[in-house]
This record gives sequence, C-alpha cells and structure tokens, in this order.
Amino acid sequence: GAVVSQHPSRVICKSGTSVKIECRSLDFQATTMFWYRQFPKKSLMLMATSNEGSKATYEQGVEKDKFLINHASLTLSTLTVTSAHPEDSSFYICSAREIRSGRAYNEQFFGPGTRLTVL
Amino acid sequence: GESVGLHLPTLSVQEGDNSIINCAYSNSASDYFIWYKQESGKGPQFIIDIRSNMDKRQGQRVTVLLNKTVKHLSLQIAATQPGDSAVYFCAENAPSNTGKLIFGQGTTLQVKP
Repeated sequence: GAVVSQHPSRVICKSGTSVKIECRSLDFQATTMFWYRQFPKKSLMLMATSNEGSKATYEQGVEKDKFLINHASLTLSTLTVTSAHPEDSSFYICSAREIRSGRAYNEQFFGPGTRLTVL
Repeated sequence: GESVGLHLPTLSVQEGDNSIINCAYSNSASDYFIWYKQESGKGPQFIIDIRSNMDKRQGQRVTVLLNKTVKHLSLQIAATQPGDSAVYFCAENAPSNTGKLIFGQGTTLQVKP
C-alpha cells in the first residue's frame, strides 16, 4: 500500500513550452501533497504544499505563476511548469500525506520523480 | 534558520561492515524525524522514523538513534550490503505543523565488495 505515482517519468521539451506533471496516490486519499525540486547531488527543496480543494502554498522564492499547482481531487495533484526555460531543468518529486487515524505519524510517501529537461 | 545537515557527504564502507550515517538538526522543537534512502534517478524511500519521545528505534538491519541534548540523529545499518549503496537523507518535520519536512543535505553511502 501507500504507493505514489508520477507521470511522466521523463520529459524533454523546448524552451517556452509548458509541461504538466501528475502526481497520484494510488491506494489512499491524500488531502495534502508536496512538490519538491532536486538538483544533481543536492537535497530535496520544497517548492509548495498542495491542498485538495484549495490554493497551493508556495515556499519563499518559488514563483506561483511559473509553477502552477492544482489539487483537484484527493488522489491527484498536478504541477505545470509554464514557459519552461533551461534553468527549469531538474528532477521534480511529489509526496503525499494521508491524514487518517492509524497511519504513521506525519509520514509522507514519495513518488518516483520526473526528470524535466528543457532545451 | 531551520536546517538539518549531515556531517559527511560521502561514506565508503566494506561489504559486511556496519555503517553509521550522522545528521545534525537545528530546531529543538522538531518532534519527528525520518531517514530516507534515495537511489539514483528515483524518489526517496522511507527507511525508518522516530519520534522525539524516543531515543532509539530498530528496524530490519537499521537502527535510528536520537540525541535531543545535542540535536543529533544517526542511522546505523548492520552488515551493509551492495544494495545499500545510495544517498541517505535525514528529515525533520517543520515545527509549524503543516506537515512539511526539512531535508538534510544527504550522505552518499558507497559499499565496496
């Protein structure tokens, strides 16, 4: 149980285009999902918190108009990188947090990541 | 500011030996800590967690130790295997109770056959 998937796993796009990344919780409902960005040989950097049915909360320095987040259902959050540029190339990882009694305290389940390359 | 850091960027051990990966955290209000393993090109994988009301927790071949006095966390891997080679991150929950995790910088574990 507690599986999180991401799609696509890898995407290459041209500069100026928009790319959508999906994050799904497959066997549980996630009221909260998190989006991270990771550069090579670096740690995970939290970009935003995605809450089902409400606006995402962005971390300081993250452009909300650049990285659009939609958490339309309890099992799906999407991250859209708008007008992508080469500096947006990175590994994007989502995680999902299940709020339900019986689950481990505050545990997050991570997706496999999406490698974005902007040419 | 809040930060979770790791003492060594790379740890190289012989197969079969025990590994100890260290982590220092800065926020004494943090009450939940997690160790993750990340293999190349994949997302983090949960290894073990510990709450602040505990000093030690054991799993299968792994043990996490928490020293709140010096704000130190460690992960011990017994009988390290080649499959343990990965980057290990410690993470602490952000005290704001938003569910956010603060990740450390990561330690690369290399297991020599």
